[in-house]
Amino acid sequence: GQNIDQPTEMTATEGAIVQINCTYQTSGFNGLFWYQQHAGEAPTFLSYNVLDGLEEKGRFSSFLSRSKGYSYLLLKELQMKDSASYLCAVIDSNYQLIWGAGTKLIIKP
Amino acid sequence: IAGITQAPTSQILAAGRRMTLRCTQDMRHNAMYWYRQDLGLGLRLIHYSNTAGTTGKGEVPDGYSVSRANTDDFPLTLASAVPSQTSVYFCASSDSSDTDTQYFGPGTRLTVL
Repeated sequence: GQNIDQPTEMTATEGAIVQINCTYQTSGFNGLFWYQQHAGEAPTFLSYNVLDGLEEKGRFSSFLSRSKGYSYLLLKELQMKDSASYLCAVIDSNYQLIWGAGTKLIIKP
Repeated sequence: IAGITQAPTSQILAAGRRMTLRCTQDMRHNAMYWYRQDLGLGLRLIHYSNTAGTTGKGEVPDGYSVSRANTDDFPLTLASAVPSQTSVYFCASSDSSDTDTQYFGPGTRLTVL
């Protein structure tokens, strides 16, 4: 079966750095997305990786290792508004998007 | 309209009733999707449409139907609602059905009693 694993919940301090991991086992791979979802709101696009390596976008970076079936989202200089769930999703060989259950990130002052 | 809209925002429904959730996008995206999101689970695809006039079944299609008469609209119908269909429903769209980013509507919170 297809599976995406993320930690259920993480806590970090305002101003710090946090890394949210995602491991996947899917039938094929055509790319990986990270989305942010604030409570009661819709998911919003953060990043897309299809090649190995690090993609940096401001305070957020996303890393991919296809050989290890692994990605992480790195958030720097954490702000209170970063408190949200972060969803990892993989495009499989049939171009279906397989979603992880999400990681709830709690930021403390 | 800017982006994707969904209606209603929330609804309480008696079991056995018929309900249609509406979704409209103005981005001229070809592909549209319906997901449900339940606590502790990832988004699960109900139905999708790669282009106007075509639809397909996702991971959890039972009890739901869709139509795609035009590019902009993609309604989801529950023919006879059951309590297990209590969930938050998100509509999404993307330019194509391959690797393009999906953009989500604000969601409909549905409670079936």
